[in-house]
Amino acid sequence: GEDVEQSLFLSVREGDSSVINCTYTDSSSTYLYWYKQEPGAGLQLLTYIFSNMDMKQDQRLTVLLNKKDKHLSLRIADTQTGDSAIYFCAERYNFNKFYFGSGTKLNVKP
Amino acid sequence: DVKVTQSSRYLVKRTGEKVFLECVQDMDHENMFWYRQDPGLGLRLIYFSYDVKMKEKGDIPEGYSVSREKKERFSLILESASTNQTSMYLCASSSRVAETQYFGPGTRLLVL
Repeated sequence: GEDVEQSLFLSVREGDSSVINCTYTDSSSTYLYWYKQEPGAGLQLLTYIFSNMDMKQDQRLTVLLNKKDKHLSLRIADTQTGDSAIYFCAERYNFNKFYFGSGTKLNVKP
Repeated sequence: DVKVTQSSRYLVKRTGEKVFLECVQDMDHENMFWYRQDPGLGLRLIYFSYDVKMKEKGDIPEGYSVSREKKERFSLILESASTNQTSMYLCASSSRVAETQYFGPGTRLLVL
């Protein structure tokens, strides 16, 4: 459960959709998470999905989980400049263990 | 509203100094965590505590120790700071059965 991988950078134009991808290795993960980190700040929980779900939607955010391929994605619709941040994928694979990806830096161009 | 606070946002220390980073949560959470964040490496768990006076090593405990004398407070101690401990340190907490962790704002430590 230690390998959570994300691409390091993503650049999109304002108004477009952003899709941030993540792969994980531990099939026994119970929850998978997306966190947002703005410059100089801690991590803010955006959304999470239980491992028996395929999809979760919350306003502009859509999380897709492909458990067979161990692939998690976060889609941000109508991306705004305020969405520019680092996005972390994380998995919880036992009671107290959370593993985080290296983060994807999203740059939104006006 | 959930709140996790850390004693300092920025800290500058010299090699060999003893450094204390403090974290306080006001949610009566059982679990507390210390991570360090480095570019390209994401968050790595240093230590976590699941109860007062209880602790477990994370993935990178070398050079660090922790103390949890009260439920709301979890301290990270660098016994003798070294330059490779320059990093962003993040504290988090969660309840025993909660699905997620709540993070503090982070302490950016520079060791000269």
